[in-house]
Amino acid sequence: EAGVTQFPSHSVIEKGQTVTLRCDPISGHDNLYWYRRVMGKEIKFLLHFVKESKQDESGMPNNRFLAERTGGTYSTLKVQPAELEDSGVYFCASSWLAGGGEQYFGPGTRLTVT
Amino acid sequence: SQKIEQNSEALNIQEGKTATLTCNYTNYSPAYLQWYRQDPGRGPVFLLLIRENEKEKRKERLKVTFDTTLKQSLFHITASQPADSATYLCALAPYGGATNKLIFGTGTLLAVQP
Repeated sequence: EAGVTQFPSHSVIEKGQTVTLRCDPISGHDNLYWYRRVMGKEIKFLLHFVKESKQDESGMPNNRFLAERTGGTYSTLKVQPAELEDSGVYFCASSWLAGGGEQYFGPGTRLTVT
Repeated sequence: SQKIEQNSEALNIQEGKTATLTCNYTNYSPAYLQWYRQDPGRGPVFLLLIRENEKEKRKERLKVTFDTTLKQSLFHITASQPADSATYLCALAPYGGATNKLIFGTGTLLAVQP
C-alpha cells in the first residue's frame, strides 16, 4: 500500500511569490489534514478535510492560505503571496473515516521563503 | 492556556536500558493520546494510541501509560537499541472522535548509545 505522498519535497521562493503544495493521501482515506512546523516550534494543525469538504480550518493562519481537495482525492495548499514567516515544513496526513484515530503522515514539503 | 509539554532536552541512554519519555498537558480533556516517532527529514510515524479509559497499552517493546488525573502520559521503550534513536512526539485529540485534529508536543530527542 502506497503511503501519503507530497510534492514538492522542497521549495524555495521569494517573498511575494505564489507556491502550491500537493498531497496525495492513502487511497480510501476520507480524512485529510494539513499541518505545519516552523523552526523550533511544534507541529501545528492547519485544516481538515472530510472527502472534499472542509471540516475544520481553524488553524489556517490567514487568507493568504487556500486549501482545496478536488473530488475528495488529492489536496493542494496554495500560499499567495508568500511571506517570510510562512517558511517551515508542511505535512499532510490522512486517515480512515471510521478509523481508530491514528493518522498517516507524508514526508513533508520544506518551504523556504527568502 | 492549553499546553502540551515534553522533555525539552535530549535523552541519552545506553543500549539495553529502558527509555522513559514524559508528556504533560494542561487545560485539555483528551479522549485519547498518541505517540509518534519522527526521523530527520521524514514525517511522523504512528506508534501507539491510548484512550482516556485505558491505563496502559503495550506493543512489542513499547509501553504507554495515561493518567488523566495527573494529566500525564509516559512512553517507555524497553531493551532500547541504537535504531530507536529518533524524536518522539506526543499528540492528543482535544475533542475525541476518529476524525479529529491532533495537538502536538514539541517532541523529545532520544539518543541510544551503543
